[in-house]
Amino acid sequence: RKEVEQDPGPFNVPEGATVAFNCTYSNSASQSFFWYRQDCRKEPKLLMSVYSSGNEDGRFTAQLNRASQYISLLIRDSKLSDSATYLCVVAQEYGNKLVFGAGTILRVKS
Amino acid sequence: EAGVAQSPRYKIIEKRQSVAFWCNPISGHATLYWYQQILGQGPKLLIQFQNNGVVDDSQLPKDRFSAERLKGVDSTLKIQPAKLEDSAVYLCASSLVSALGHYVNEQFFGPGTRLTVL
Repeated sequence: RKEVEQDPGPFNVPEGATVAFNCTYSNSASQSFFWYRQDCRKEPKLLMSVYSSGNEDGRFTAQLNRASQYISLLIRDSKLSDSATYLCVVAQEYGNKLVFGAGTILRVKS
Repeated sequence: EAGVAQSPRYKIIEKRQSVAFWCNPISGHATLYWYQQILGQGPKLLIQFQNNGVVDDSQLPKDRFSAERLKGVDSTLKIQPAKLEDSAVYLCASSLVSALGHYVNEQFFGPGTRLTVL
């Protein structure tokens, strides 16, 4: 079983749509959780951290369910520029070692 | 502020040849990471340095891969000899360590080196 699992997609959505991605992780000792964004042939960049209480950044909402070991990302009012691969990332407290999922591809179309 | 620099950006070699990649992290970042990203997969950590010491190299194929960060700043990753399955993007990243010695999780990535082994 992979340590971080994501639906690879692709998710093809029209502009303005709401789309949600899910991710599960296997290591219950994981302490920190993130979503990174990776554009085609570019490096990953931090999109947002994920907190137990849930957090929102503009059109993006991230949630964490520790009991189910499940992380989600919701994107509202999708823009063409949101087209990218979204990487679910998990870290243990010690050592800052990040474990990346394989990513979910989002394509937003006009 | 300058980001993480990597070179070369692209490299094509034949199997059994050697190759080296270079990385210069963001100024002041004590922690440096090398990742391998195979097409269709997420980045996989190969090695992590704290200053010039190795923190984690558990996923580094040590029979063919080596890395060093001699002066605690820039780093090189070498593959010798290369295999077809080493074709991937090699990403370097760096991050801060807080004054309390705790890791600060945001890692900043360089543009990567795209390696093709023929």
